Amino acid sequence: EAQVTQNPRYLITVTGKKLTVTCSQNMNHEYMSWYRQDPGLGLRQIYYSMNVEVTDKGDVPEGYKVSRKEKRNFPLILESPSPNQTSLYFCASSIARGLSEAFFGQGTRLTVV
Amino acid sequence: GQQLNQSPQSMFIQEGEDVSMNCTSSSIFNTWLWYKQDPGEGPVLLIALYKAGELTSNGRLTAQFGITRKDSFLNISASIPSDVGIYFCAGQEEYGNKLVFGAGTILRVKS
Repeated sequence: EAQVTQNPRYLITVTGKKLTVTCSQNMNHEYMSWYRQDPGLGLRQIYYSMNVEVTDKGDVPEGYKVSRKEKRNFPLILESPSPNQTSLYFCASSIARGLSEAFFGQGTRLTVV
Repeated sequence: GQQLNQSPQSMFIQEGEDVSMNCTSSSIFNTWLWYKQDPGEGPVLLIALYKAGELTSNGRLTAQFGITRKDSFLNISASIPSDVGIYFCAGQEEYGNKLVFGAGTILRVKS
């Protein structure tokens, strides 16, 4: 089954404690991206990757890092989380840059206290 | 970064009614997409539009890519309770590398 898998689904952490949210897709997609969803703001892109070892900033990259060492995985790293990073995070993948069949993961709800 | 203007923000309608929502942008888009998000889930693609003027249906859903390439609408006919959720428009700018999303329309259906 074609899917994008994120882990964990829920996470509560403390300010400053490094964390990683994993994302994996099994569709051999080149393009992957991370979004955060906040009430009234829709989905805002954090980072995207057009292929292995190719990553670029989206609209709200501050406080986040990503890596793309393999095609299927695109982890999101928060080196020093802060409360304003409390949000719902989605990973997505698609065949080409941002087009049409963007498959989304189920989301990771992160709370930073 | 740019955000699309999506309206209305929310709708509370009677089952069986038709629904209409739209998105506008200040810049030209070459792709418009409509997604639905159920509670606790990620967005799921409903309709994709690639050409100005294109009108596409998916069951009770119909969406159009505006002639100016700066707007799109989504209509849902004869709404049912399972239509409840958040609907997002998204677009790709003419020379961009990413999708830009609207803020979403929350749809509630009264049965």
